[in-house]
Amino acid sequence: DADVTQTPRNRITKTGKRIMLECSQTKGHDRMYWYRQDPGLGLRLIYYSFDVKDINKGEISDGYSVSRQAQAKFSLSLESAIPNQTALYFCATTSGDSRTDTQYFGPGTRLTVL
Amino acid sequence: AQSVTQLDSQVPVFEEAPVELRCNYSSSVSVYLFWYVQYPNQGLQLLLKYLSGSTLVKGINGFEAEFNKSQTSFHLRKPSVHISDTAEYFCAVRARDSNYQLIWGAGTKLIIKP
Repeated sequence: DADVTQTPRNRITKTGKRIMLECSQTKGHDRMYWYRQDPGLGLRLIYYSFDVKDINKGEISDGYSVSRQAQAKFSLSLESAIPNQTALYFCATTSGDSRTDTQYFGPGTRLTVL
Repeated sequence: AQSVTQLDSQVPVFEEAPVELRCNYSSSVSVYLFWYVQYPNQGLQLLLKYLSGSTLVKGINGFEAEFNKSQTSFHLRKPSVHISDTAEYFCAVRARDSNYQLIWGAGTKLIIKP
């Protein structure tokens, strides 16, 4: 079984709808991240969490919110989806010193907002 | 602040030929450097990283990269590519005094021609 899972893998929704993307990990890591990937732009950090009570905004948090329900679960919500939020979304985890440690990625969620 | 430039969006190369994927970075402080690979329809996985010590770093699948501080570069090389190396490759940096944020390049698609 994969160490980092994301659901759903694909989602098509309409402008204005609320969407939740879920991430679960079995690696026992404290630190979790949400990124979005756009063609030609690489990955951009949306939110990150160092433990259940520590949640921080990344560089592009506007229009997004997160919830860290447990050490293993980190959800990303779009309260009112808009077309420019169409992207590939990745969850990632690290342990220990995140300055040097490896990030482990989920398989991604492809979101299309019509 | 840091930035990362991957000079080529796509690199076509014949199978069994050598390849170099270029990465340049900008930073006013010392950095850690990473290369991640994204195979089609998958999440990213770590290929190699430079933390300190020897400037030549060896990674998985026969890849290596060399840190050049004077040229602020971290180019990725492989002496002989295979069709299975078809993927998108991302360079990333993290400031040594930052505890969370990787700054990502836009990615380079490696296209292997038979």
